[in-house]
Amino acid sequence: DAGVIQSPRHEVTEMGQEVTLRCKPISGHNSLFWYRQTMMRGLELLIYFNNNVPIDDSGMPEDRFSAKMPNASFSTLKIQPSEPRDSAVYFCASSFDSSRGYTFGSGTRLTVV
Amino acid sequence: GESVGLHLPTLSVQEGDNSIINCAYSNSASDYFIWYKQESGKGPQFIIDIRSNMDKRQGQRVTVLLNKTVKHLSLQIAATQPGDSAVYFCAERYFGNEKLTFGTGTRLTIIP
Repeated sequence: DAGVIQSPRHEVTEMGQEVTLRCKPISGHNSLFWYRQTMMRGLELLIYFNNNVPIDDSGMPEDRFSAKMPNASFSTLKIQPSEPRDSAVYFCASSFDSSRGYTFGSGTRLTVV
Repeated sequence: GESVGLHLPTLSVQEGDNSIINCAYSNSASDYFIWYKQESGKGPQFIIDIRSNMDKRQGQRVTVLLNKTVKHLSLQIAATQPGDSAVYFCAERYFGNEKLTFGTGTRLTIIP
C-alpha cells in the first residue's frame, strides 16, 4: 500500500497564479479530507468528501479555493488566484471507516511570493 | 512585520524516561479521540485512539487516558527514544460527524 499520495511536494508560485494540488487516496477508502497547516492556525479542515461527494466545505477560506473529486482515486484542490497568505502546507487524508482515524499524505508545501 | 505563530507547548524528556503529553478537548459531545505524531517534513501519523466509553487504552509503549469529567486526554510514552521527538496532536470527533478537530500540538524533544 503506497499510502496517500500528494503532488507536488513543493510548489513555489507568484501571486495571482493558479495553483493545483493533487491527491490520490488509499485504494478502497471512501472519505477524503483536505487540511491546511500554518504556524498561525495549526491544522484546519478545508473540505471533505464522502464517496466522491463534497460533504462539508465550511472550512474553505473563500471563493478563490475550490476542490473536486471526479472519482474515487483522485482529488484536486485549486487556488485561483493565489495570494501570499495562502502559503502553508496542505495535507490530504483519507479513511475507510469514519469510526477510525485518517491516514495523511506527506503534504504539499506551497509558497506564494 | 513578523507574524506571531501558535505557541507550541514544549516538553523535554531524558531518553529512557517516560513522558506524558496532555490535551484539553473542547466538545463534551465528542465520542472519539486520536493521538497523532508529526515528524518534521511529514504528515501526521496515527498513534492510538480511544472511544468515549473507555478510560484507558494501551498500545506498544503508549497509553492514552481519557477523563470525560474534565474533558482531558493524555498520552503516555514509556521509555522514550530519540525517534519519539516530534509534535504530538490530539484530535476529537463528535458523534455523527466525520470531521476531526485538531489541538495545537505539543513538541516533544528527547534529550540523549
